[in-house]
Amino acid sequence: AQSVAQPEDQVNVAEGNPLTVKCTYSVSGNPYLFWYVQYPNRGLQFLLKYITGDNLVKGSYGFEAEFNKSQTSFHLKKPSALVSDSALYFCAVRDMRSGGYQKVTFGTGTKLQVIP
Amino acid sequence: SQTIHQWPATLVQPVGSPLSLECTVEGTSNPNLYWYRQAAGRGLQLLFYSVGIGQISSEVPQNLSASRPQDRQFILSSKKLLLSDSGFYLCAWSREQGAREQYFGPGTRLTVT
Repeated sequence: AQSVAQPEDQVNVAEGNPLTVKCTYSVSGNPYLFWYVQYPNRGLQFLLKYITGDNLVKGSYGFEAEFNKSQTSFHLKKPSALVSDSALYFCAVRDMRSGGYQKVTFGTGTKLQVIP
Repeated sequence: SQTIHQWPATLVQPVGSPLSLECTVEGTSNPNLYWYRQAAGRGLQLLFYSVGIGQISSEVPQNLSASRPQDRQFILSSKKLLLSDSGFYLCAWSREQGAREQYFGPGTRLTVT
């Protein structure tokens, strides 16, 4: 069985400071990893994904994520936080095995609050 | 480019009434389609997914059903709503190959009274 853990229910960061939202995963094979953002009363928006290759993945709105296989982590980062980054962030994982349907598992979400 | 539509945006229905939520995708063919429910603004619960017309898989037993009458149309239904059906319903699509990142619709806020 696969799983995703987002250990922080909420992260507070001052505007202009770097931010990190943590995610760890468990999957049988190699993972596809994803980050999504959700603004209030809106659907989730896809930010970035890790497939293979470079461990540092760049995505939308200046976000990036670092894949660490030994620590089974995929933390979301941004060098300088904006107030408009305040939202709910979801990490997700899917097993890379081919053949049949492989379900995506979402984390429980981390609320990011950027303080002016 | 691809777009995904959901309607209605909000819905207030009495207990015991029927439900029909519709989702359509434009700009792609043979998408995988998904229905999720999000309670209390947090965790996502996968309700149904579909890999093709008429092919529906249910993730959890519940008061809801889904249908896919056309390639890019996904419908969530109930014959009799329960109070516990209240929530934020999200439709999503992904390509059938590759990493299959999902693209979500704007959601439907359902309140059962």
